[in-house]
Amino acid sequence: DAGVIQSPRHEVTEMGQEVTLRCKPISGHNSLFWYRQTMMRGLELLIYFNNNVPIDDSGMPEDRFSAKMPNASFSTLKIQPSEPRDSAVYFCASSPGPGRGEGETQYFGPGTRLLVL
Amino acid sequence: EDKVVQSPLSLVVHEGDTVTLNCSYEVTNFRSLLWYKQEKKAPTFLFMLTSSGIEKKSGRLSSILDKKELFSILNITATQTGDSAIYLCASANSNSGYALNFGKGTSLLVTP
Repeated sequence: DAGVIQSPRHEVTEMGQEVTLRCKPISGHNSLFWYRQTMMRGLELLIYFNNNVPIDDSGMPEDRFSAKMPNASFSTLKIQPSEPRDSAVYFCASSPGPGRGEGETQYFGPGTRLLVL
Repeated sequence: EDKVVQSPLSLVVHEGDTVTLNCSYEVTNFRSLLWYKQEKKAPTFLFMLTSSGIEKKSGRLSSILDKKELFSILNITATQTGDSAIYLCASANSNSGYALNFGKGTSLLVTP
C-alpha cells in the first residue's frame, strides 16, 4: 500500500494568496484527519471526516480555513487568504474508522511544509 | 476537556542507556492510548493500548497502560542514536469518532 499521500510536499507563497493542500487516504480507510504542527503549539487537530462527512471542525482556526472530502479517496484543505502565521507543517492522516478493529490507529502522510511570506 | 500530558519534555541519554517516557491522561469515555515516534518527518505508529497491565513489545521498545492511575509508559532499552526522535502519546475517546488528542511530546536525544 502506498500509504497516505499528500501534495505538495513544500509550498512557499505570499500573504494573501490562496493555498490548497491535497490528501489521498489509505484505500479502505473511512476516517480522515487534518493536523497542523508548529513548535509552539505541537500537533493540533483541525478537522476530521468519517465516511466523507465532516464530524468536527472546531479546530479550524478561522473562516479562512476550509476543508472538503468529495469522495473516499480525496480531501483538500484550503487557506484563503493565507497569512504568515499559517506557516506550519500540515499533516493528513487516515484510520480504518469506527466499528473496525483498532479503528482509531491513524497513519500519517509525509506532510506539507507551508511557508507564507 | 480531555488532556494528555507527557514528561519529561526533553531528555538526553547516552547510547546503551534505558529510558522511560511518561504519559498521563484525563479522558472522558476513554477508549485507548497510542504512542507514535516522530523523526524529521511524519509521526509513525508504535503501539495502541486498551487494557491495563498488558505490555506491548516491539524489539527494544515496550509500553504498558495503567487505567486506574491514568498513565502509560514507553520504555526503550539499549538505546541507539536512531532512537532520537520526538515521542508522542495520544488518547482516543469513544465519543469523538476516534479522533486522537495528542500530548506535546518528549524529545529524546541519544548521544554516541
